[in-house]
Amino acid sequence: EVQLVESGGGLVKPGGSLRLSCAASGFTFSSYSMNWVRQAPGKGLEWVSSISSSSSYIYYADSVKGRFTISRDNAKNSLYLQMNSLRAEDTAVYYCAREGSSGSYYCDYWGQGTLVTVSS
Amino acid sequence: QSALTQPASVSGSPGQSITISCTGTSSDVGGYNYVSWYQQHPGKAPKLMIYDVTNRPSGVSNRFSGSKSGNTASLTISGLQAEDEADYYCSSYTRSSTLGVFGGGTKLTVL
Repeated sequence: EVQLVESGGGLVKPGGSLRLSCAASGFTFSSYSMNWVRQAPGKGLEWVSSISSSSSYIYYADSVKGRFTISRDNAKNSLYLQMNSLRAEDTAVYYCAREGSSGSYYCDYWGQGTLVTVSS
Repeated sequence: QSALTQPASVSGSPGQSITISCTGTSSDVGGYNYVSWYQQHPGKAPKLMIYDVTNRPSGVSNRFSGSKSGNTASLTISGLQAEDEADYYCSSYTRSSTLGVFGGGTKLTVL
């Protein structure tokens, strides 16, 4: 069974940093691209970042470019999101999501999410 | 403002059929067959319901179907059931960005 479990969320002050983790199991993690998608309270979904299976291709939304860094450790079956210079508008539930088959543009499995709150 | 336009809400009675639209441009919905649909119940993670416009993942009820005409994609749910009440989001590949784009979401109410 595919499982994605996020951790690392919490309350942080504006300008602070936080590192999110996503532990994957039930599939060959190293074969799949992975994504971070966020959802602000009461709002819709927003793509945040994507990383290919071997980390060769990395993409960011304009809203987080230069502040967030996505990475993965295939030996540990883990995905990460380092978030720096956090702003109030980064407050959201952050989901880790597995991309479908190679070259696809959808996410077939999602974690339960971890809440990040940026507030003084 | 979301890149893809969805109605804020739709409703239907049990057993009826409803359709949720997702309107984009020739740079996204209209130009590629990479539209997907997600169902999200309150407090839960999104669940993939349709991918590549018309394909249903294993385990998703055949009451859910997808289609596309021009720049508008649609999700149709037939034989509405109470458990279908949820938010629905469309998403598409777009050549305007290296990441996909979502619609603003549609709240489905089963009367």
